[in-house]
Amino acid sequence: DGGITQSPKYLFRKEGQNVTLSCEQNLNHDAMYWYRQDPGQGLRLIYYSQIVNDFQKGDIAEGYSVSREKKESFPLTVTSAQKNPTAFYLCASNRAARETQYFGPGTRLLVL
Amino acid sequence: SQQGEEDPQALSIQEGENATMNCSYKTSINNLQWYRQNSGRGLVHLILIRSNEREKHSGRLRVTLDTSKKSSSLLITASRAADTASYFCATDHLAGNTPLVFGKGTRLSVIA
Repeated sequence: DGGITQSPKYLFRKEGQNVTLSCEQNLNHDAMYWYRQDPGQGLRLIYYSQIVNDFQKGDIAEGYSVSREKKESFPLTVTSAQKNPTAFYLCASNRAARETQYFGPGTRLLVL
Repeated sequence: SQQGEEDPQALSIQEGENATMNCSYKTSINNLQWYRQNSGRGLVHLILIRSNEREKHSGRLRVTLDTSKKSSSLLITASRAADTASYFCATDHLAGNTPLVFGKGTRLSVIA
């Protein structure tokens, strides 16, 4: 099955802790994205990567970090510097920037 | 950097009625896309309309694009309870290889 997967489905973070959200795709897409969605809101772009070993900040990158060591994988770390991390996080991928994006099922991050 | 703005924010209709959602954007585009999101899930691509197209159909979906007014509409005909979801428009920038920009969405409730 081709697709994009995210894990875990739910993640709990303690104060001061860094947590990492996983995103994997087997669609052979070059570009990958991380979005944050707050209740009743649209998507805000955190980071994106258009090619392996390269990534760019989106609109709300502060308190987050990413890596793109493999084409298939684009993990997102929510650092302790992100003071309000509770949100729904969506990963997406596509062949190129303007093309249709394919989304994963999302990870809901909650703070203990 | 919100490019698209959906209207209305929320819409409630009876099953069998038509639902119309609008999207306005600010800068020139190559194409405009509509996505659907069921509660707590990832987004799913519905339809893409290019800047040189005025209307496109897909099943019960009809999308129009007016580049002179920088606006698009999504019409769902003969709505069903299963159409209950949030609908987002996404636009690209005419110049540059930058990611899609999503609006805040319209929450559609179809009452059986």
